[in-house]
Amino acid sequence: EPEVTQTPSHQVTQMGQEVILRCVPISNHLYFYWYRQILGQKVEFLVSFYNNEISEKSEIFDDQFSVERPDGSNFTLKIRSTKLEDSAMYFCASSPLGQLNTEAFFGQGTRLTVV
Amino acid sequence: GNSVTQMEGPVTLSEEAFLTINCTYTATGYPSLFWYVQYPGEGLQLLLKATKADDKGSNKGFEATYRKETTSFHLEKGSVQVSDSAVYFCALHDFGNEKLTFGTGTRLTIIP
Repeated sequence: EPEVTQTPSHQVTQMGQEVILRCVPISNHLYFYWYRQILGQKVEFLVSFYNNEISEKSEIFDDQFSVERPDGSNFTLKIRSTKLEDSAMYFCASSPLGQLNTEAFFGQGTRLTVV
Repeated sequence: GNSVTQMEGPVTLSEEAFLTINCTYTATGYPSLFWYVQYPGEGLQLLLKATKADDKGSNKGFEATYRKETTSFHLEKGSVQVSDSAVYFCALHDFGNEKLTFGTGTRLTIIP
């Protein structure tokens, strides 16, 4: 069964460093998403991506964040200068037709720890 | 704005017990409602959904009914199994945007 794959499963980084979280969405999907969950808090939407551009983003997704689909298979989230409060579980998701029409399929998450 | 409030966890039950995990929502429009489940080491998986009032979503013995009058979508199962141990997330999708709005998740542990 096709699945969304995220790497690494756990990343530890020093404050101020850049991190790139990687995702391989399901191959025929067109919509891609990043969500995050700070420990003990809600899963929060960060950004959606369609047709090689951001279609929607939350207020969390400031200039420190960027997304890219560098080739036909990967979808990455970059945090330019990490802060302690960026420590969270980051989930990637994809869907074939967009959330209005069909469900999103999620990866297992990358736990980011900023020290 | 939209929000989802779900039952605080963790919840621990014995096998074959009845399960209820409460979920209420606030939405500006007329949302679709979802329950997602995350088993250990895996991603979030859609468990069930309902798209309009009084719809009942069901899957794997779990059920939830979309109650517009009480803005609720409580998850129930008549007889839980050890394999149901997971984190359960209530979520909504409102028309006009691409995002899901999630609750905090409820960790369920079933003991034999």
